[in-house]
Amino acid sequence: AQTVTQSQPEMSVQEAETVTLSCTYDTSESDYYLFWYKQPPSRQMILVIRQEAYKQQNATENRFSVNFQKAAKSFSLKISDSQLGDAAMYFCAYSPRRNAGNMLTFGGGTRLMVKP
Amino acid sequence: EAGVAQSPRYKIIEKRQSVAFWCNPISGHATLYWYQQILGQGPKLLIQFQNNGVVDDSQLPKDRFSAERLKGVDSTLKIQPAKLEDSAVYLCASSYKWDRGFEKLFFGSGTQLSVL
Repeated sequence: AQTVTQSQPEMSVQEAETVTLSCTYDTSESDYYLFWYKQPPSRQMILVIRQEAYKQQNATENRFSVNFQKAAKSFSLKISDSQLGDAAMYFCAYSPRRNAGNMLTFGGGTRLMVKP
Repeated sequence: EAGVAQSPRYKIIEKRQSVAFWCNPISGHATLYWYQQILGQGPKLLIQFQNNGVVDDSQLPKDRFSAERLKGVDSTLKIQPAKLEDSAVYLCASSYKWDRGFEKLFFGSGTQLSVL
């Protein structure tokens, strides 16, 4: 069975600075997707970034980038130039590729606070 | 484009009562999911539909939970009878083939259930 672990229950960052959220996972599959989702107080889960395991290049989306270490089964999210709107719960998630990426297993989440 | 609609937004019931949640997915999305998110945890998949057929309900407590998706569009999740441990946010999602076989999930804002 796949597991996803987020060891940081809470993180804090000053506005305009950079913060990194950590995630580790366990799987016996060789081909899979990894995701970071954002959940604001509205409760709607929003996809932030997606990484395909067969790609060595780390994914980037504007101010968001990942550090994907396949051998270590580590997948961290870096948020640059943090904004007040980035404050939310962040969830790391995994899906086998054979399910088209729709069989999500989520970690326990990290609450990100952004200080003005 | 309208998002995934869920109702009600909040529900408070006594234990042993029954409750139902409704979800209307994004138009054209064939796959629909119900997730349970207990406070302080990541979402856990309860059931996945493809059109009006069940793809995966392995984590649905079938002695008290039921779900249907008549006509392959909107869906209802029911709990009967409710237990205290069913207190959670129930998230509905629908998905669409995004690119290169990847199916992107779109989430609703959930129903927050409190069982007293």
